[in-house]
Amino acid sequence: GQQLNQSPQSMFIQEGEDVSMNCTSSSIFNTWLWYKQDPGEGPVLLIALYKAGELTSNGRLTAQFGITRKDSFLNISASIPSDVGIYFCAGLDSNYQLIWGAGTKLIIKP
Amino acid sequence: KAGVTQTPRYLIKTRGQQVTLSCSPISGHRSVSWYQQTPGQGLQFLFEYFSETQRNKGNFPGRFSGRQFSNSRSEMNVSTLELGDSALYLCASSPFFGEGTEAFFGQGTRLTVV
Repeated sequence: GQQLNQSPQSMFIQEGEDVSMNCTSSSIFNTWLWYKQDPGEGPVLLIALYKAGELTSNGRLTAQFGITRKDSFLNISASIPSDVGIYFCAGLDSNYQLIWGAGTKLIIKP
Repeated sequence: KAGVTQTPRYLIKTRGQQVTLSCSPISGHRSVSWYQQTPGQGLQFLFEYFSETQRNKGNFPGRFSGRQFSNSRSEMNVSTLELGDSALYLCASSPFFGEGTEAFFGQGTRLTVV
């Protein structure tokens, strides 16, 4: 089925580093959502974006809804060990169905 | 406020059997969606129910079916299980169906087919 292009696929980070990931689509979306999933658990909603150009923060997390409505990015500042997990983006299409990215896996460098 | 509750958490079934998974949405939420997630994969959409009606359906075979009850609780059924059906099945609830809807997930049911 349809899927968003989410990159990078995985990231190796050191504690304290800033992280950036993004999602792009060939279609326009009216809502972008960012989720984090820990192993064996369901995804947890981090940030919801509803307007083109909107920039929203949630603690150390910042996400933006692209002006073209075809992309979104998520930044994490000053990463900590509990940031490890898989981050998913999702866009709500014209049929009100959520379309998902394949995920970005965040790993702490030893 | 209780979150989305999925039962059971873990399930082992034999190939050829059928299975029913249950999802209780957040109180007041009327939309329930189901997803399949295999190891290392993203979320594959199965179907979404709102007010007891299926509103959207993903590209899964007819062995996968679902329903929603008047209290918004939902069940999904998989008949004639195959080894490839082993996955984490996630349920998500939303207040309503349509724009601006945020989905909240349960912990999932881990199905293993042997």
